Amino acid sequence: SQQGEEDPQALSIQEGENATMNCSYKTSINNLQWYRQNSGRGLVHLILIRSNEREKHSGRLRVTLDTSKKSSSLLITASRAADTASYFCATDENDYKLSFGAGTTVTVRA
Amino acid sequence: DAGVIQSPRHEVTEMGQEVTLRCKPISGHDYLFWYRQTMMRGLELLIYFNNNVPIDDSGMPEDRFSAKMPNASFSTLKIQPSEPRDSAVYFCASSLADNYNSPLHFGNGTRLTVT
Repeated sequence: SQQGEEDPQALSIQEGENATMNCSYKTSINNLQWYRQNSGRGLVHLILIRSNEREKHSGRLRVTLDTSKKSSSLLITASRAADTASYFCATDENDYKLSFGAGTTVTVRA
Repeated sequence: DAGVIQSPRHEVTEMGQEVTLRCKPISGHDYLFWYRQTMMRGLELLIYFNNNVPIDDSGMPEDRFSAKMPNASFSTLKIQPSEPRDSAVYFCASSLADNYNSPLHFGNGTRLTVT
C-alpha cells in the first residue's frame, strides 16, 4: 500500500523557475525521504529528513516536514533541464519497510 | 563502487516460462529489497532481506514468485510460471542499515515483458 501521496501528479516549468511538490502521508514516521527517477533508470536518493527535523537543505533542494499535518514539501530552486524527472517521497512504515508515493513528474522546459 | 547491478536489463518471455532476475547489491550493505514498478500500482515492495535472511515477503503477489539470497553478494527473484500481468520493471535496492538511517541504493531495473 502507498503511504505517501505526491501532489501535483505533473509539473511543467521554465528553466530557472522553482518547482515545488508536496507529499502527504497517513501514519507516524521516523523519517521521510525524497528520491528522483530519470526515465529508464533506478531511483536516486536525494535527501532524508527525520521526524524531529523541520527543514533540510541540500544544494538547490529544500525539504520541509510538518509532522502535525503529516506532510512534506520538496522545493527545487533555479531548475535546470537536467532536473526533468519523476520525484518520489518515501516513508518508513513498520519493520523497516519503505513505502513510496506515486510520484510527481517534473518537466523543465528550456 | 559500481552500485547495485541488475541483470538482465530487459527480458521478454512468453507466458508460462520461468523468469529469473538477478541482483548484486553494494558490498557491505546489510539489507536487500526487491520492488516492482508499474503505472497502475507504482512502486511495490515485494520482499526484503537482512543479512541474507528473508524478513518480510508479504508483498510477494503469489506463490509463483520466489526470492533467494544465497550469499551477501547475490540475490534472485524468480517467477514461475510467468503471466502477462507480471510485466513491470523490477528493481533491486540495497542499504547499509535499516531505513531509519540509511537511504536505498537502487539498480537500474529489469524491464520484464511477458507476452
